Amino acid sequence: DADVTQTPRNRITKTGKRIMLECSQTKGHDRMYWYRQDPGLGLRLIYYSFDVKDINKGEISDGYSVSRQAQAKFSLSLESAIPNQTALYFCATSDLRGQGGDTQYFGPGTRLTVL
Amino acid sequence: GQNIDQPTEMTATEGAIVQINCTYQTSGFNGLFWYQQHAGEAPTFLSYNVLDGLEEKGRFSSFLSRSKGYSYLLLKELQMKDSASYLCAVRDNTNAGKSTFGDGTTLTVKP
Repeated sequence: DADVTQTPRNRITKTGKRIMLECSQTKGHDRMYWYRQDPGLGLRLIYYSFDVKDINKGEISDGYSVSRQAQAKFSLSLESAIPNQTALYFCATSDLRGQGGDTQYFGPGTRLTVL
Repeated sequence: GQNIDQPTEMTATEGAIVQINCTYQTSGFNGLFWYQQHAGEAPTFLSYNVLDGLEEKGRFSSFLSRSKGYSYLLLKELQMKDSASYLCAVRDNTNAGKSTFGDGTTLTVKP
């Protein structure tokens, strides 16, 4: 079974709709992240959480909100979707323990299209 | 903040060696990562450097010079499956200990 899962994997929606993307992990990591990736571009951080009571904005948080329901779950919401939010969204987890120095482990991604 | 630079695209021949460079500027350096990302898929971890020098893992090696703000990823004996984007990420203690990703280098391996 995958350590980091995302649902849904694909979603097509219309402008103005509220959308929730969910992320679950079985790695036991404290840190979780949401990124978006646009074609030909790198990963841009939307929100991150270092533990259940910690929520922080990333570089492009406008138009998004998150909820850290438990150590294993981190959800991303688009309150009113707009076409320029069409992108590939990745959830990731990391942990300071071990030799990896905060290596990030990514979910498979959610491809979101806003019409 | 951080500034991370990588070439946008590179092309190499199957069986050859390719070096992908990454330069960065940061005030609280605490590690550099390389990730591989095939088109439409999630990034996967390749290597981690926090001290100067070369780390070797099979066909892949990664080098770091902290004084120069410079790293490279060396891929030997290139295979077609190595065609992917390679992302450099820098962890910064002055940035809440988070990693910031470069835009990635798209490598195309030709027969």
